[in-house]
Amino acid sequence: NAGVTQTPKFQVLKTGQSMTLQCAQDMNHEYMSWYRQDPGMGLRLIHYSVGAGITDQGEVPNGYNVSRSTTEDFPLRLLSAAPSQTSVYFCASSYTKSGNTIYFGEGSWLTVV
Amino acid sequence: DQQVKQNSPSLSVQEGRISILNCDYTNSMFDYFLWYKKYPAEGPTFLISISSIKDKNEDGRFTVFLNKSAKHLSLHIVPSQPGDSAVYFCAASPGQGAQKLVFGQGTRLTINP
Repeated sequence: NAGVTQTPKFQVLKTGQSMTLQCAQDMNHEYMSWYRQDPGMGLRLIHYSVGAGITDQGEVPNGYNVSRSTTEDFPLRLLSAAPSQTSVYFCASSYTKSGNTIYFGEGSWLTVV
Repeated sequence: DQQVKQNSPSLSVQEGRISILNCDYTNSMFDYFLWYKKYPAEGPTFLISISSIKDKNEDGRFTVFLNKSAKHLSLHIVPSQPGDSAVYFCAASPGQGAQKLVFGQGTRLTINP
């Protein structure tokens, strides 16, 4: 997972609190994305970005906000945390050209109580 | 609606034998498929991929087979080694790049000595 760095690794939030999960990559990848993984389910796409200044929604975007001001960084914001957002969050990046694959960070474990 | 399905939550194989992990998909727009391996408390790591223009791709002990008419792909690992014990995720993308991946639920592979 070299190259994609997520912080924090663990976080406990109270319902209604806001927080930002940080993600940075040093591979000059155009594409970055956020996924969440819940028990018994595969990873689901929250938001993605194909370049600085461009973001779009994935499969499960509600309750999350993103921005892409630089190529390197793609923070994920929880505006008002809910227990349903308790999950493991993975940031990923890749080149956008054909045939390339996505590289994932190590994950951020979030618990909302 | 689960577009990518891994119907076996777990699989146990003896060391040295072949491991076969299966994956089915429903969306005909998928044309790039990947397998990821995940250890506990780590992010998924890319294993092998296949484009829809191929029916087989090999990389060392790992081979992926694609049957487009059946919308089915499989991952073969031979010979299986103890270090192969992990959760394996099948993923699909509607483009030739690996953006906007749709994941299966995962199969936990255990290699027994």
